[in-house]
Amino acid sequence: EDQVTQSPEALRLQEGESSSLNCSYTVSGLRGLFWYRQDPGKGPEFLFTLYSAGEEKEKERLKATLTKKESFLHITAPKPEDSATYLCALSPREYGNKLVFGAGTILRVKS
Amino acid sequence: NAGVMQNPRHLVRRRGQEARLRCSPMKGHSHVYWYRQLPEEGLKFMVYLQKENIIDESGMPKERFSAEFPKEGPSILRIQQVVRGDSAAYFCASSRAGNTDTQYFGPGTRLTVL
Repeated sequence: EDQVTQSPEALRLQEGESSSLNCSYTVSGLRGLFWYRQDPGKGPEFLFTLYSAGEEKEKERLKATLTKKESFLHITAPKPEDSATYLCALSPREYGNKLVFGAGTILRVKS
Repeated sequence: NAGVMQNPRHLVRRRGQEARLRCSPMKGHSHVYWYRQLPEEGLKFMVYLQKENIIDESGMPKERFSAEFPKEGPSILRIQQVVRGDSAAYFCASSRAGNTDTQYFGPGTRLTVL
C-alpha cells in the first residue's frame, strides 16, 4: 500500500531558527507531490507542487525540494506567523486524481 | 477572484437526521473533490466529480453517503441518517483540470452529530 510519512510530528522553533520538515513516500509511480499549510479551523492552503526528482520551488521563507523517495520543506529564519500544520500530499499515478495525505507536521515558532 | 466556497461552515445534526454540505468551486474550475478529516486523523479522499458525473467514489462509505455535481449549482455531499462517527470536518477542493493539476481547498464544513 502506498504510504506517506511526515516527520517530525511536531516541531518547536525559536524565531529565526531555520529547520526542515520531511515527507517520505513509497509509491509505485508519482505524478505530483504537493505541500499545503493548514491553520486551525481552516482549510489547507496550497504552497507548492513538485513533479520530478531534483525540482525545487521557493516562496518567501519556504523552499520545497523533491528526491525519488522524499521531499523536504525548508523553513529559513521562521517567524511566529509561520506557525501552522504543514501537510504533504501525493498524487500517485495509479490512484487517478485523488490526493493521499500525510498526517502533517505541527510547527510552532516562538518569538 | 473568489476561492472555493463551502456552506454551511458549521452544521449540527442529531443522530438519524440528514446532513447536506454544499461546495462551489473556484471560477473556471470544473473538477470537484471531497475529503474528510476525522478528529486526530489526516485528510482522506472521498469522491471526485465533474459536472453531472461521478468519476471516482472509491473513498466514499458504501451506505448513507452520496455526492452530486449538477450542471447548474454547487456540488452537494449528502449524508443520510447521520451517526456520531460522521462528526468531522468535510473539505471540498477544486481544480481546473484533472491529472496533476493543483487542488485548491475550501474552508470546510464542520459537522457535529449529537
